[in-house]
Amino acid sequence: EAQVTQNPRYLITVTGKKLTVTCSQNMNHEYMSWYRQDPGLGLRQIYYSMNVEVTDKGDVPEGYKVSRKEKRNFPLILESPSPNQTSLYFCASISREGRETQYFGPGTRLLVL
Amino acid sequence: DAKTTQPTSMDCAEGRAANLPCNHSTISGNEYVYWYRQIHSQGPQYIIHGLKNNETNEMASLIITEDRKSSTLILPHATLRDTAVYYCIALQMNNNAGNMLTFGGGTRLMVKP
Repeated sequence: EAQVTQNPRYLITVTGKKLTVTCSQNMNHEYMSWYRQDPGLGLRQIYYSMNVEVTDKGDVPEGYKVSRKEKRNFPLILESPSPNQTSLYFCASISREGRETQYFGPGTRLLVL
Repeated sequence: DAKTTQPTSMDCAEGRAANLPCNHSTISGNEYVYWYRQIHSQGPQYIIHGLKNNETNEMASLIITEDRKSSTLILPHATLRDTAVYYCIALQMNNNAGNMLTFGGGTRLMVKP
């Protein structure tokens, strides 16, 4: 079954404590992306990757890092989380044949105290 | 990408057709109309997309006006599980994955028994 998985699904942490949210897809897609979703602001892109070792900033990259060492995984790293990074995060994997189909993960709800 | 305008919310009776409108008066000739939906706190789900012609798949139908300034997503027999926020997006298809989805406010569809 084609899917995008994220872990953890829920996380409560404190300011400054480094964390990583993992994202993995089993569809051999080259393109992957991270979004955050906040009330009233819709879905905003954080980072995206067009292929292994190729990443670029989205609309709201500040405070985040990503890596793409292998095609299936695209982890999101918060080196020093702050309360304004409390949000719902989605990873997406995109079929190269059709931009129309983005497969989204189930989401990670993060609370930074 | 062209701006889209959707009603904030709509109600629909279970078993009836749900017709969700979207205005995209500034859409350019090479921009597609995409529809996604998001059930509460889950990842967005692709529904359908089109350029000029009407489209139908197992989930919905998409009717695009001849001048392409507006479109309507039709769920022919809405069920309670169709309760979600529906997003209409105008997106230019290209090979650059940096052209990611930008979700606005969407229409909150409530299907009632």
